[in-house]
Amino acid sequence: DGGITQSPKYLFRKEGQNVTLSCEQNLNHDAMYWYRQDPGQGLRLIYYSQIVNDFQKGDIAEGYSVSREKKESFPLTVTSAQKNPTAFYLCASSIPGTQMNTEAFFGQGTRLTVV
Amino acid sequence: GNSVTQMEGPVTLSEEAFLTINCTYTATGYPSLFWYVQYPGEGLQLLLKATKADDKGSNKGFEATYRKETTSFHLEKGSVQVSDSAVYFCALSDRGGSEKLVFGKGTKLTVNP
Repeated sequence: DGGITQSPKYLFRKEGQNVTLSCEQNLNHDAMYWYRQDPGQGLRLIYYSQIVNDFQKGDIAEGYSVSREKKESFPLTVTSAQKNPTAFYLCASSIPGTQMNTEAFFGQGTRLTVV
Repeated sequence: GNSVTQMEGPVTLSEEAFLTINCTYTATGYPSLFWYVQYPGEGLQLLLKATKADDKGSNKGFEATYRKETTSFHLEKGSVQVSDSAVYFCALSDRGGSEKLVFGKGTKLTVNP
């Protein structure tokens, strides 16, 4: 079945460590996104990529990094520079917005906790 | 910039009650509008969408109409079920698709038997 797979589902990180969240899709979508979800704040865009080897900062990119070496994969690294990394992270993909009826497909999320 | 404002929750209803969750938006162009649903511990699923003014999106008994004159996209369901308990997000995209979705803060719905 086609879809988006995020791993791991739960992740614990010590302060000062970098950690990488995985996101893989087999939907053949060009565009991929990372969102952060905090209680009572909805979803905020961290980074997005419209095509392989290209990505742009979203609204809260500080302390995060991404790569897009393959169409199927868009890993997110939470660096030690991110001051408050504990959150629920959601990856999504879509066909770029040249078609009026596109929708975003989301993974199941990764809950990151700093200990 | 673009923004979405949802009614704040939580919302608690009895089974078979009528549901309305208000959503208004601010956008410079002609956005597409979406409602997503999130069940506990899961990602978001698209519930319904509308891409132009006066369009009505519908799915699983839920409906929302794109009202350009009031910049609104309110979610309604005539008779809720316990299984509808979830968090509902209103969202917009300013490029006609799902690029750079801007989300509201979400409304938690609990339906009691």
